[in-house]
Amino acid sequence: RKEVEQDPGPFNVPEGATVAFNCTYSNSASQSFFWYRQDCRKEPKLLMSVYSSGNEDGRFTAQLNRASQYISLLIRDSKLSDSATYLCVVNTNAGKSTFGDGTTLTVKP
Amino acid sequence: NAGVTQTPKFQVLKTGQSMTLQCAQDMNHNSMYWYRQDPGMGLRLIYYSASEGTTDKGEVPNGYNVSRLNKREFSLRLESAAPSQTSVYFCATGGLLDSRNQPQHFGDGTRLSIL
Repeated sequence: RKEVEQDPGPFNVPEGATVAFNCTYSNSASQSFFWYRQDCRKEPKLLMSVYSSGNEDGRFTAQLNRASQYISLLIRDSKLSDSATYLCVVNTNAGKSTFGDGTTLTVKP
Repeated sequence: NAGVTQTPKFQVLKTGQSMTLQCAQDMNHNSMYWYRQDPGMGLRLIYYSASEGTTDKGEVPNGYNVSRLNKREFSLRLESAAPSQTSVYFCATGGLLDSRNQPQHFGDGTRLSIL
């Protein structure tokens, strides 16, 4: 079993839709969590950190469920420009970062 | 404000040739990483360096060597390139804040083709 697992998708949604991605992790000692966005063949870029109480940045909401060991990303009012691959990242305090393989989102007109 | 700079951006090699990918950062981060990403696949960690003077193997280290030259620079060397090493290579840096790993920052990548 992979340490960090994501549904690869693809998720195909119309503009304006709400879409949610989940990411599960196996290491209960994980300390910090992030969502990255990666456009085709480009470098991953930090989208947002995930805080224990949940956090929001505009149309994006991230949540953490430590008991069930998953994080989620909710995108509201999807835009064409949201089309990308979304990677979740889980860090342990031992200095290790583990990336999920990503979930591909395509937003269509 | 360069952040993480990788050179070269593109390279074509013949099987058996050697080359070194360079990575430099101006973010004053202790940790540096090398990943490869094959088409349609996730990132795979090749090597990482938690601090100057230390390096450790990642998930796919075979066929590669690394050097952490100083705090700023972390190079990846292919001693004898093979077609299976055709990939996009990303360098990343990360820091610690209050003993927690902060998010990694990536360079633009090196697109490497081996014929």
